[in-house]
Amino acid sequence: DAKTTQPPSMDCAEGRAANLPCNHSTISGNEYVYWYRQIHSQGPQYIIHGLKNNETNEMASLIITEDRKSSTLILPHATLRDTAVYYCIVTLNYGGSQGNLIFGKGTKLSVKP
Amino acid sequence: GAVVSQHPSWVICKSGTSVKIECRSLDFQATTMFWYRQFPKQSLMLMATSNEGSKATYEQGVEKDKFLINHASLTLSTLTVTSAHPEDSSFYICSARDSGVIYNEQFFGPGTRLTVL
Repeated sequence: DAKTTQPPSMDCAEGRAANLPCNHSTISGNEYVYWYRQIHSQGPQYIIHGLKNNETNEMASLIITEDRKSSTLILPHATLRDTAVYYCIVTLNYGGSQGNLIFGKGTKLSVKP
Repeated sequence: GAVVSQHPSWVICKSGTSVKIECRSLDFQATTMFWYRQFPKQSLMLMATSNEGSKATYEQGVEKDKFLINHASLTLSTLTVTSAHPEDSSFYICSARDSGVIYNEQFFGPGTRLTVL
């Protein structure tokens, strides 16, 4: 079973920031938080990952709370092309079965004009 | 960026036939590849982990004799659905982990939609 809890759906206005929350209260000390997204009928796309520090790349920012029990993915200026299902995944950062990606139900983000 | 391809992108077959799906990492080597299945309006479900040169590791409930996986090279893994039935109709997605990096980013293929009549 997925170790994360996400809201099933969210709406966001085009051009605004989209803030997608994720709860992972049972995360262990060596587990990372990964975010992927899946646009309809395509394979998932990696967005970002982090351990405990906030991370930023060209796609998004990841804010992890100090106790690591929750995180927020931020798309700073959402566009219509960001409409997708966003998955928050907790996993180890190396090979072996404990490093597998277990997908939960994710959050369906709808960006509206 | 790293690209993973799948072939075919869609396939329709008759019940009882076998279907082979290819997954290739185009610009990197992948010691480990993964096969997922996704039913309509559901999330991805990991079926098996494919390791180059060794037997695949199947998740609980996935029949290894029905879903044959071969990972003969560092850039190619194949999934064969044997004696396919309508309940095997699904979206099959592969992913690959770059052998040259230390973190767990997986690159996903575009998926193969299988319809069994």
